[in-house]
Amino acid sequence: AQSVTQLDSQVPVFEEAPVELRCNYSSSVSVYLFWYVQYPNQGLQLLLKYLSGSTLVKGINGFEAEFNKSQTSFHLRKPSVHISDTAEYFCAVSDRRAGNNRKLIWGLGTSLAVNP
Amino acid sequence: DAMVIQNPRYQVTQFGKPVTLSCSQTLNHNVMYWYQQKSSQAPKLLFHYYDKDFNNEADTPDNFQSRRPNTSFCFLDIRSPGLGDAAMYLCATSRDERPLNTEAFFGQGTRLTVV
Repeated sequence: AQSVTQLDSQVPVFEEAPVELRCNYSSSVSVYLFWYVQYPNQGLQLLLKYLSGSTLVKGINGFEAEFNKSQTSFHLRKPSVHISDTAEYFCAVSDRRAGNNRKLIWGLGTSLAVNP
Repeated sequence: DAMVIQNPRYQVTQFGKPVTLSCSQTLNHNVMYWYQQKSSQAPKLLFHYYDKDFNNEADTPDNFQSRRPNTSFCFLDIRSPGLGDAAMYLCATSRDERPLNTEAFFGQGTRLTVV
């Protein structure tokens, strides 16, 4: 079984400051890793994903994340945030093995509040 | 171009009165999911379809049912909504491909209020 821990439930930050949202996972098998963003009263949108290859993954809206296998982490970063980045961010994993398991295992989310 | 469309965006229903939420997709994806998301919580998977195969989560109450009449449409039926069923309901789709990749595309959600 897999589990996902998002270490910070809330992250306040000033506009144009850098931000890091932390995600750690636990799994006995290899996983795919995802970050999703949810704006108020909206569905979720994929920010980026790690499937294989380079451990540094670039996504939309200037976000990037680095997969660290030894630390089982997939932290999300942005060098300079905007007010419009205020949203809920969810880290998720899924089992790589082929078969009927198509579920995403979700973290509890991190609320990013960007202040002027 | 909306790819996963949920209707309505907001739904108010009476306690105990059956309600149906709908989802359509233009992506031709094999897999469709229904999630329940309560305030400040992660989405909780209720069930999913792989083509016509229905997969119910073990902890999904019997009060929740689903139908998928064709590839494009999927419905969530709540037979007797309780106050605790008030939540955002999210529909999502994914394409079954090798290597297995469960990237999901979400609709904007339906916010259900039970009065």
